[in-house]
Amino acid sequence: ETGVTQTPRHLVMGMTNKKSLKCEQHLGHNAMYWYKQSAKKPLELMFVYNFKEQTENNSVPSRFSPECPNSSHLFLHLHTLQPEDSALYLCASSPVGLAGELGHETQYFGPGTRLLVL
Amino acid sequence: GENVEQHPSTLSVQEGDSAVIKCTYSDSASNYFPWYKQELGKGPQLIIDIRSNVGEKKDQRIAVTLNKTAKHFSLHITETQPEDSAVYFCAAGQKLVFGQGTRLTINP
Repeated sequence: ETGVTQTPRHLVMGMTNKKSLKCEQHLGHNAMYWYKQSAKKPLELMFVYNFKEQTENNSVPSRFSPECPNSSHLFLHLHTLQPEDSALYLCASSPVGLAGELGHETQYFGPGTRLLVL
Repeated sequence: GENVEQHPSTLSVQEGDSAVIKCTYSDSASNYFPWYKQELGKGPQLIIDIRSNVGEKKDQRIAVTLNKTAKHFSLHITETQPEDSAVYFCAAGQKLVFGQGTRLTINP
């Protein structure tokens, strides 16, 4: 086990629904990440949080809204999604965020949430 | 920004043979190069990484080589086993850009 958990593991939602993905890390890390994994772009960085502050938004549409209440928890709030948003959403954590060590740290990934938007 | 190219996209080898996956990158300032393995239903897991001050690193059956001049690095797996079947990702760059992935299949 990597120490990073994600819930739910699977989610089906309509385009008008609002749902949230949850990530929790038990590794004492300071940075957390959201990635989108699909057939078109296997691992696409979405957001980075470092010490609860957002340090990276990789031009993600506003229908995805992240929240990081503390260094151990990360949420991704979803609303009015499109079918092309169907993908595996992966959460990761590292000791220091990209802004701090600029990608020099090992990232520990959770198992992901498989999202299907109908 | 960083551009990472990974080849091949699929690779099939006989059990016991070696497998090699190659990546090239564009940002000459990159100095950290990890390799991740992703098994079905799981998130990617780090299997080996290398920093720019060394040219090669080995961990049992897995090795990574780095050529900073040519801006490419490779993953080598020797004596492959069925449990090596997975998707492998390389990464590089200041913001850790991942390659497209290689689906490795080990045939018994």
